[in-house]
Amino acid sequence: AQTVTQSQPEMSVQEAETVTLSCTYDTSESDYYLFWYKQPPSRQMILVIRQEAYKQQNATENRFSVNFQKAAKSFSLKISDSQLGDAAMYFCAYRRSGGANSKLTFGKGITLSVRP
Amino acid sequence: SAVISQKPSRDICQRGTSLTIQCQVDSQVTMMFWYRQQPGQSLTLIATANQGSEATYESGFVIDKFPISRPNLTFSTLTVSNMSPEDSSIYLCSVWTSSNYGYTFGSGTRLTVV
Repeated sequence: AQTVTQSQPEMSVQEAETVTLSCTYDTSESDYYLFWYKQPPSRQMILVIRQEAYKQQNATENRFSVNFQKAAKSFSLKISDSQLGDAAMYFCAYRRSGGANSKLTFGKGITLSVRP
Repeated sequence: SAVISQKPSRDICQRGTSLTIQCQVDSQVTMMFWYRQQPGQSLTLIATANQGSEATYESGFVIDKFPISRPNLTFSTLTVSNMSPEDSSIYLCSVWTSSNYGYTFGSGTRLTVV
């Protein structure tokens, strides 16, 4: 079974600084998707970034980028120029490639606080 | 991507009663997923709902406790039955949209059982 591990329960970053959130996963599949989701206090789950396993290039979305190391099964999220609105819970998630019934497996999440 | 309307956004219920949560999607989707998020915890999949067939439940979740309805390709309900304080959680629905290879989530239902 696939597992997703986020070992850091909490992190803090100074506004305008850079922070990296760690995630590792375990799978025997070769084709899959990895995601980072953000959940602010409003509890709405917001997709931050997505990475397809077959792509060697790391995904980037504005201030958010990932370091995807397929052999090491590592998928970290880097937030540059941190803003107060980045404070939230962040979940790393895995989905194997396949049909519409493929499940999303979440890590335990990390709470990110941003210091003004 | 799809847009999901989830209702109610929150409720406070007496133990022993039931609550039905609704999710309406603005487009047709094959599968809908129901999650539970206990306070301060991650999301745990309850079941996967396909239109026209019985939902598939994950280990630890049973149909008698969490009956699911999926009458068409845009709508689903999850009922939390015979509630106890341990059922106090956030419940979320989600769909996979192949057009953008991503999951969209409803805004969640915060349930408190007293």
